[in-house]
Amino acid sequence: NAGVTQTPKFRILKIGQSMTLQCTQDMNHNYMYWYRQDPGMGLKLIYYSVGAGITDKGEVPNGYNVSRSTTEDFPLRLELAAPSQTSVYFCASSSGTSGRANNRGSYNEQFFGPGTRLTVL
Amino acid sequence: DQQVKQNSPSLSVQEGRISILNCDYTNSMFDYFLWYKKYPAEGPTFLISISSIKDKNEDGRFTVFLNKSAKHLSLHIVPSQPGDSAVYFCAASAGGGTSYGKLTFGQGTILTVHP
Repeated sequence: NAGVTQTPKFRILKIGQSMTLQCTQDMNHNYMYWYRQDPGMGLKLIYYSVGAGITDKGEVPNGYNVSRSTTEDFPLRLELAAPSQTSVYFCASSSGTSGRANNRGSYNEQFFGPGTRLTVL
Repeated sequence: DQQVKQNSPSLSVQEGRISILNCDYTNSMFDYFLWYKKYPAEGPTFLISISSIKDKNEDGRFTVFLNKSAKHLSLHIVPSQPGDSAVYFCAASAGGGTSYGKLTFGQGTILTVHP
């Protein structure tokens, strides 16, 4: 299993450009998430999805869009890039199961991709 | 409004000694707490978790303590090893199944373990 993969690893955009950050997971997880991490800060949730065709906003959704046409893929779209979107973006997935019998494998365990470092100039 | 706070940006300890990382939260609806570890240029990886019905959970060298009345949790690493050097994030979840696993993260603490 490759787990959660993200492309590209790095990208530099000009203000106003658009791009799509790709995220794919091969664990057949229903739940997927997009986070951003700014320097010295924790991860903030942008959007999440509980299954194909279902998405919802997180804490910081402005300037982003998502879609979930398949279980495996959860792309994040930036339509008009702004310097405030300079950040590291992480995609994550989880099984969504409700079992919490032990301290590993609970539905809250999210598996993260390696991240995409985006700079907007 | 920072609902999960890690007030120590960094911690430095000697190999073999105990590392104690702290986390405070404000939202009384949080019922599940997790610690993630992150190395540079990698995504966070799950380390250990605790439910709000417990006050302690152990997994090898890692123990998490939860004090609900103080809204405080801590991660103890004993003994600390140089390979433990990483950024540690505290995270919390609220509402059981209806939360869809959404996590609120703290700012992270950089742990450095010196040989």
